[in-house]
Amino acid sequence: SQQGEEDPQALSIQEGENATMNCSYKTSINNLQWYRQNSGRGLVHLILIRSNEREKHSGRLRVTLDTSKKSSSLLITASRAADTASYFCATDYQAGTALIFGKGTTLSVSS
Amino acid sequence: GAVVSQHPSWVICKSGTSVKIECRSLDFQATTMFWYRQFPKQSLMLMATSNEGSKATYEQGVEKDKFLINHASLTLSTLTVTSAHPEDSSFYICSARDVGGLGNEQFFGPGTRLTVL
Repeated sequence: SQQGEEDPQALSIQEGENATMNCSYKTSINNLQWYRQNSGRGLVHLILIRSNEREKHSGRLRVTLDTSKKSSSLLITASRAADTASYFCATDYQAGTALIFGKGTTLSVSS
Repeated sequence: GAVVSQHPSWVICKSGTSVKIECRSLDFQATTMFWYRQFPKQSLMLMATSNEGSKATYEQGVEKDKFLINHASLTLSTLTVTSAHPEDSSFYICSARDVGGLGNEQFFGPGTRLTVL
């Protein structure tokens, strides 16, 4: 089963621009995580935000979480061609349970 | 950080054969491992939860007799795709939770690409 949706499904931007991806989920969560996946490759963990947190930063990444709206956003600032990948949010409803992934956003950054 | 390996990284087989995929936690113990499947241009779909020493729990729509899961030790889970068919061609990814961790840490293997001819 899948927890929710990412929006947009695809995003094309120029290098240097910011990219914002949104994720919505259906049930209450323990944590929300964002992953990146380059084409045909494995997952790279980007950032974890706990259900009691509202915002988190890591380098060029900024994640927000709004549990009242059951949504999260991932902002990548000053994007680079190397950021081209698919981005997935994933949630678990309690510690120890499986991560359930959203449908993902495919980001294309052109130089 | 914790490392999860998968073997093989890719496999091509003929229709009707069985394929075994291994998932190992290299530097930690995992009582629970998860198996996901990813079709091209789609997201990861949870197939089953693998528990050490007990039967796996399968998600709705996943045939347990077709996808055999064995979690015989705290560092190894195997997924066997029995009588594979072309529609089973996919990217299979496992993940493992660190027993000694906070419970929030789930580490993913690099995936196994299965192509059934």
